[in-house]
Amino acid sequence: QKEVEQDPGPLSVPEGAIVSLNCTYSNSAFQYFMWYRQYSRKGPELLMYTYSSGNKEDGRFTAQVDKSSKYISLFIRDSQPSDSATYLCAITYTGNQFYFGTGTSLTVIP
Amino acid sequence: ETGVTQSPTHLIKTRGQQVTLRCSSQSGHNTVSWYQQALGQGPQFIFQYYREEENGRGNFPPRFSGLQFPNYSSELNVNALELDDSALYLCASSLETSRTDTQYFGPGTRLTVL
Repeated sequence: QKEVEQDPGPLSVPEGAIVSLNCTYSNSAFQYFMWYRQYSRKGPELLMYTYSSGNKEDGRFTAQVDKSSKYISLFIRDSQPSDSATYLCAITYTGNQFYFGTGTSLTVIP
Repeated sequence: ETGVTQSPTHLIKTRGQQVTLRCSSQSGHNTVSWYQQALGQGPQFIFQYYREEENGRGNFPPRFSGLQFPNYSSELNVNALELDDSALYLCASSLETSRTDTQYFGPGTRLTVL
């Protein structure tokens, strides 16, 4: 079983839609949860970071962690064409080994 | 403040050869992690270096080796290249190992093995 699973999509939504991206993970010992955004031919950039359970909001982005279900989510409100990218979830125990999902490709249509 | 840089940008090698990829960490960061990202996949963790010592390793064979220098820059060496080694190799630096909220990636080196 993989440490983290992510639906690869692709996902295509109209501009202004709410986007929901999800990952599940295997081990309840994971404590740090991250979402990265990766544009084509670029390295991933850190978008959201959450420690343990709960919600974290940053502008149009909300990250949610449900440790009881081992489920993490990223919500994008009022999606924009510039949000078109691949979104990667990542998890780690203590920071010395990261596990990434396969990435979900998102296209926001103007 | 400079970001994470990697060299070269692209590289073409033949099977059996050896390759060295280089990474300069972000200013003030002492931790460097290396990842392999195959087309259409998420990054796979290769290993991490913290203050010049290997601090964690993923499921990669010993022909993948690394080094971190006193200025915290790093090298990834791959011996006996195989076709499956063709991928984007990403380097990421962090302020400290425990500061998972400070991991910043470089643009990557695209390696093609023929």
